[in-house]
Amino acid sequence: GNSVTQMEGPVTLSEEAFLTINCTYTATGYPSLFWYVQYPGEGLQLLLKATKADDKGSNKGFEATYRKETTSFHLEKGSVQVSDSAVYFCALRYSNYQLIWGAGTKLIIKP
Amino acid sequence: ETGVTQTPRHLVMGMTNKKSLKCEQHLGHNAMYWYKQSAKKPLELMFVYSLEERVENNSVPSRFSPECPNSSHLFLHLHTLQPEDSALYLCASSQDRDRGDEQYFGPGTRLTVT
Repeated sequence: GNSVTQMEGPVTLSEEAFLTINCTYTATGYPSLFWYVQYPGEGLQLLLKATKADDKGSNKGFEATYRKETTSFHLEKGSVQVSDSAVYFCALRYSNYQLIWGAGTKLIIKP
Repeated sequence: ETGVTQTPRHLVMGMTNKKSLKCEQHLGHNAMYWYKQSAKKPLELMFVYSLEERVENNSVPSRFSPECPNSSHLFLHLHTLQPEDSALYLCASSQDRDRGDEQYFGPGTRLTVT
């Protein structure tokens, strides 16, 4: 079946550090892949997405590349800020509206 | 109000109570969703409505009863809940269900069942 696995948190970094949050998936066919972010007290927001192999999604300095050969969609940012502290969710879409979610990774950025 | 709003933001209820969660979207969307978010678990899709018609019910216990009176409002009626139902309940909406449109989420209702 379809599933998404992402690294357990919390991930704690200092400001300006390099960030990687790992996400791997299992799926039949060619799903679209997403990263959502949930800031404290708020709902989830779409951060970036990729719809086919080798696509790179990017937004707000975050990037993720759809790697079919390694079934991965790792989230990266070159220099994190305190305001990036949030919970990050990796997800795949295998039908028009059905999303399969990872369990979320909490990111804490210290000044 | 803009986006997707949910009320109340926090709710504590006993196992014998009846309560309702409310969601309203101000985006002109045609599809609405209820999700359950439990700690350290993936989001679970509970119900999907498209143009006020329920189109998905993912084996959710009958103690959860959704209602969609129009395309802007969605309710989740709760009765005789169990402590394991304590979670964050998220509402979302999208332009259409079947086009793969982005889902916009509300801030959630934090439910505690005592």
